[in-house]
Amino acid sequence: AQTVTQSQPEMSVQEAETVTLSCTYDTSESNYYLFWYKQPPSRQMILVIRQEAYKQQNATENRFSVNFQKAAKSFSLKISDSQLGDTAMYFCALLGNEKLTFGTGTRLTIIP
Amino acid sequence: DTEVTQTPKHLVMGMTNKKSLKCEQHMGHRAMYWYKQKAKKPPELMFVYSYEKLSINESVPSRFSPECPNSSLLNLHLHALQPEDSALYLCASSQGPPGTSTDTQYFGPGTRLTVL
Repeated sequence: AQTVTQSQPEMSVQEAETVTLSCTYDTSESNYYLFWYKQPPSRQMILVIRQEAYKQQNATENRFSVNFQKAAKSFSLKISDSQLGDTAMYFCALLGNEKLTFGTGTRLTIIP
Repeated sequence: DTEVTQTPKHLVMGMTNKKSLKCEQHMGHRAMYWYKQKAKKPPELMFVYSYEKLSINESVPSRFSPECPNSSLLNLHLHALQPEDSALYLCASSQGPPGTSTDTQYFGPGTRLTVL
């Protein structure tokens, strides 16, 4: 069985600051993929960033970057220069063994 | 273009009604998914339709039945639902089969279902 753990149910940060969301996972698969999805109040699940486990280089998408520590099974998301539109629920997800497993989510609020 | 569309956006139905949720993608993806999401919870996989093969989460009750008329459409038929089935129903699609490098799932906006 594979598991994804997000230990921060809620976080808040001032606009323009940097925030890091934590995620740890467990899997017996050697080939897997990790994702961060964002779900704003509009409720659509939006792909933020994707990381292939076999790649050592951390993925980056504009203001979003990850810190992938494979040995520690850690996959944190860093949001730089946070904006009001970043307010959302953030889900970490693991794709392995033909199944996408989500963490319980972190509710992030950006304060004006 | 990573658009998945879902209709309707909202649906209210009684326990004796029969209704359908629709999902469509025009990205040429070969796999489509239905998820159920309760408030403040992560999505739970219900069904996968991949390369003409249907996979079912065994915990999903038979009052939910998927139908795939063609490779770009995935419907979810609802019959004799219970109030606890009220939730957000999300559809997703991916280019390749589950578990492959092309299995990045793109989600639709969801249908908010209320069962009275």
